[in-house]
Amino acid sequence: DGGITQSPKYLFRKEGQNVTLSCEQNLNHDAMYWYRQDPGQGLRLIYYSQIVNDFQKGDIAEGYSVSREKKESFPLTVTSAQKNPTAFYLCASSLPGTTGELFFGEGSRLTVL
Amino acid sequence: AQSVTQLGSHVSVSEGALVLLRCNYSSSVPPYLFWYVQYPNQGLQLLLKYTSAATLVKGINGFEAEFKKSETSFHLTKPSAHMSDAAEYFCAVSDRRRRYNKLIFGAGTRLAVHP
Repeated sequence: DGGITQSPKYLFRKEGQNVTLSCEQNLNHDAMYWYRQDPGQGLRLIYYSQIVNDFQKGDIAEGYSVSREKKESFPLTVTSAQKNPTAFYLCASSLPGTTGELFFGEGSRLTVL
Repeated sequence: AQSVTQLGSHVSVSEGALVLLRCNYSSSVPPYLFWYVQYPNQGLQLLLKYTSAATLVKGINGFEAEFKKSETSFHLTKPSAHMSDAAEYFCAVSDRRRRYNKLIFGAGTRLAVHP
């Protein structure tokens, strides 16, 4: 079945550690996105990529980094520079030139201890 | 710039009652509009979308929404609530002129359904 797979589902880390969240899709979508979700704030865009080897900052990119070496993969690294990293992270993808709906993964919950 | 305002962070209804979740948008260009549903600790699932065809859009699970340009609204309704409708609902807007769509989301409305 086609879809978006995020891993791990739950992750705990100590302050000062970097952590990488995985996002893989087999939908053959060109564009991929990372959103952060906090209670009462909706979803905020961290980074997005429209094509392999290219990506752009979203609204809250500070303290995060991404790569897009393959069409299927768009990992997100939460660095120690991110001051409040505890959140639910959602990866999504879309086809270009369509009505633009996003297809979402199941999310990864990161807790910093 | 585009934005979305969802009125009411929490809505509670009785099973069988009408569900009405409010969404107002701001956009200087013709928008695409979406409603998504999220169950606890899961990703978002598309309920329905407005793409400029019919202004009354029907979605999954008996939900529908009406695009009203004069009111800049896209409220979500369901005639009769079911216990399984309890979830968080997000309204989103995007710029239809763009080849790749960055969706702007509202803050969400948590729907509770009680017996």
